[in-house]
Amino acid sequence: EAGVTQFPSHSVIEKGQTVTLRCDPISGHDNLYWYRRVMGKEIKFLLHFVKESKQDESGMPNNRFLAERTGGTYSTLKVQPAELEDSGVYFCASSQATGTGAKKLFFGSGTQLSVL
Amino acid sequence: SQKIEQNSEALNIQEGKTATLTCNYTNYSPAYLQWYRQDPGRGPVFLLLIRENEKEKRKERLKVTFDTTLKQSLFHITASQPADSATYLCALSSGGSYIPTFGRGTSLIVHP
Repeated sequence: EAGVTQFPSHSVIEKGQTVTLRCDPISGHDNLYWYRRVMGKEIKFLLHFVKESKQDESGMPNNRFLAERTGGTYSTLKVQPAELEDSGVYFCASSQATGTGAKKLFFGSGTQLSVL
Repeated sequence: SQKIEQNSEALNIQEGKTATLTCNYTNYSPAYLQWYRQDPGRGPVFLLLIRENEKEKRKERLKVTFDTTLKQSLFHITASQPADSATYLCALSSGGSYIPTFGRGTSLIVHP
């Protein structure tokens, strides 16, 4: 079974440019999450999809970040325009939709974003 | 504000010994607590989940305790091996959204 895949693994862009990160969750996982780790800090929650619907986007830093999950399969996270403080590792995770309670999350390897 | 504290200093131990990692939290009433392992350049990998009404959980060489009075979880790896060297993250979920909130993690280094 394929795991969570993220693309690209690394991205180096200049301040003001646009970057789009992609996440393919494990097949059949309705829940998809985006997290971010900024250097030296903890992994922080950005948002949560259930199928194609945004369930919780309380962690999104500002309106320069736009996440989509059309059709409830893969998801994209676009940063436009990118700022220096957006640098970090962006993780995507997915989990099964098995009722309530804490979910076991399966993570991708992350996208290392460097904004220069 | 809610805080999850894990020792930022790396834990160095000899192979064969038991490693014990600590996760403390404040201003939080988690319903669930999870432990993940993270290797360099990879995403976290789920290890164990324990519920607030459970005191202890075991899986092979791993043991987790959860003390809601002390607001603390201990994560033990018995008979540690160099392959256990990694960063270990604790993550708490409240009874609302159940989405895990992560600590910064503690690096474990097991010396042969």
